[in-house]
Amino acid sequence: GAVVSQHPSWVICKSGTSVKIECRSLDFQATTMFWYRQFPKQSLMLMATSNEGSKATYEQGVEKDKFLINHASLTLSTLTVTSAHPEDSSFYICSARDTGRQETQYFGPGTRLLVL
Amino acid sequence: DAKTTQPTSMDCAEGRAANLPCNHSTISGNEYVYWYRQIHSQGPQYIIHGLKNNETNEMASLIITEDRKSSTLILPHATLRDTAVYYCIVRVGQGGKLIFGQGTELSVKP
Repeated sequence: GAVVSQHPSWVICKSGTSVKIECRSLDFQATTMFWYRQFPKQSLMLMATSNEGSKATYEQGVEKDKFLINHASLTLSTLTVTSAHPEDSSFYICSARDTGRQETQYFGPGTRLLVL
Repeated sequence: DAKTTQPTSMDCAEGRAANLPCNHSTISGNEYVYWYRQIHSQGPQYIIHGLKNNETNEMASLIITEDRKSSTLILPHATLRDTAVYYCIVRVGQGGKLIFGQGTELSVKP
């Protein structure tokens, strides 16, 4: 199946700093990518939809100024958690939709963020 | 997107078939049924999807009822590595978002 990678796989940072997470589609082009967040023992929550070359669309309740999303190419989207706080500690997962097969969407392995 | 209802948890004996049900009684005509699973601390893995016909691939079979209001994911010979949370999601085939519910926690036991 198609491969989506994320980097880093885990990160620890101090409160108040910013953290950037990369999401890449390795063997397909992805016009659309998605960012999810998952807290322990909960399901995935969609944060935003990222479209190549345009602004991301955020779900209700997600602060766009805190979670900056950039989708500059057909294979790369980045999520920057700005001024991170302990409550931002979570498992962040990206997903990419295959441009050539719109009904298919693949997920990355996730990035575990711990804010101290 | 239509909501889905799944049992919270299920057990299955290793080597037996695992049948995971999903109700989606408000599904629209242009919405597909998708199944993903998430093994602990990993990203979700795509399993299978279908519109109205039954589907089969190397991982599983998807049986969709004629009225499309429910479906069943079948893992024909469950192994311990199939222990995971299984999510049934309905969405428009192109352009729709994957919205996850609580899923079914499947435990495959020796």
